[in-house]
Amino acid sequence: DGGITQSPKYLFRKEGQNVTLSCEQNLNHDAMYWYRQDPGQGLRLIYYSQIVNDFQKGDIAEGYSVSREKKESFPLTVTSAQKNPTAFYLCASKGGGPISYNSPLHFGNGTRLTVT
Amino acid sequence: KNQVEQSPQSLIILEGKNCTLQCNYTVSPFSNLRWYKQDTGRGPVSLTIMTFSENTKSNGRYTATLDADTKQSSLHITASQLSDSASYICVVSVQTGANNLFFGTGTRLTVIP
Repeated sequence: DGGITQSPKYLFRKEGQNVTLSCEQNLNHDAMYWYRQDPGQGLRLIYYSQIVNDFQKGDIAEGYSVSREKKESFPLTVTSAQKNPTAFYLCASKGGGPISYNSPLHFGNGTRLTVT
Repeated sequence: KNQVEQSPQSLIILEGKNCTLQCNYTVSPFSNLRWYKQDTGRGPVSLTIMTFSENTKSNGRYTATLDADTKQSSLHITASQLSDSASYICVVSVQTGANNLFFGTGTRLTVIP
């Protein structure tokens, strides 16, 4: 079955620690995305990557970092510089080429990060 | 300013009843509008896409409409089922760039027996 796998489902960290969220896809999609979802707000784009070894900042990139060393993998690191990291994080991919307006996003089932 | 607004924020209906969710947008230049369903604790899943030339499109008990002149879309759910309980998110795509998606805040639908 093709899809996107995010792990872990739940993650707890102490304030001041960096944490890395995993995202793996076997859909052979070039484009991958990280979104943050908070109650009462629409999804907000953190980072996106259109091709291996390349990525761009989204609307709320401060305090986050990513890498795209393999087509299948797009891990997100939440650093201690992120002021309010507790949230639901969604990874997504999209096929149809780097800029494909009609292709849907395929989402993983998210990682809920709690920082105390 | 590019914005996507959804209403109502939340909705509770009895099983078997119909309901309609609304999405208004000010996004330009418009490419398409897509409705996603998000079950609690899971990622959104695409239900349907509406392009500029389409007025109505059905996917089972889900029917989406688009009025490109007034920049409004609706998602009508017929004969609701308990499994329809979810958040429904409206996403509008523009024709420029790779960061080209604008998300609504969603409507939380609860279907009760």
